[in-house]
Amino acid sequence: EVQLVQSGAEVKKAGDSLKVSCKASGFDLTNYWIGWVRQTPGKGLEWMGIIYPRDSDTRYSPSFQGQVTISADTSISTVYLQWSSLKASDIAMYYCARSPSVIRGGAFDFWGRGTMVTVSS
Amino acid sequence: QSVLTQSPSVSAAPGQKVTISCSGSSSNFENNFVSWYQQLPGAAPKVLIYENNKRPSGIPDRFSGSKSGTSATLGITGLQTGDEADYYCGTWDSSLSAGLFGGGTKLTVL
Repeated sequence: EVQLVQSGAEVKKAGDSLKVSCKASGFDLTNYWIGWVRQTPGKGLEWMGIIYPRDSDTRYSPSFQGQVTISADTSISTVYLQWSSLKASDIAMYYCARSPSVIRGGAFDFWGRGTMVTVSS
Repeated sequence: QSVLTQSPSVSAAPGQKVTISCSGSSSNFENNFVSWYQQLPGAAPKVLIYENNKRPSGIPDRFSGSKSGTSATLGITGLQTGDEADYYCGTWDSSLSAGLFGGGTKLTVL
């Protein structure tokens, strides 16, 4: 069974660092792209970035380039999304999702349940 | 404001048909596939349509997708109350070298 299990909700202070995870099972992580999608409360989906864990090829949306870092550890089938200094504007639900191919608009065919990040000032 | 434009809301009665449109540009729709996602309240998104018009297994044929030029359309027939959700289009933008989502359309089944 394909699963993307995301780490639990986080409550942090502005300026804190944070790393959330997405653990894959039921498929070979090295054959898929794993992306991150932000959804701020009551708002739509925002494509943040995506990584191909086999060679760590990573693409970022211009809106998120330099704001977050996406990485992967294939030895434990886990992809990460991290911040070095959280802001109040980072309050959102973050989803990881799998795509067989990102170029040319490959769809996200399986999604994690999301990790809620709350930032207090 | 999203690069892909969707109407904020649409409504129809149970049993009726509805179409949801997504408008883009040559840098995203040209040479790239469009996908459609359904997000039920409180749930993660789920893919309904990939590669413009293909349905994953388990998605009923009440859902259909099409693309023409710089616009795409999701069609839903035989509307059910359980179809009330937010619907998003998505694609790749060759100029940005990044993916995109539309702003989403809220479907109300009256």
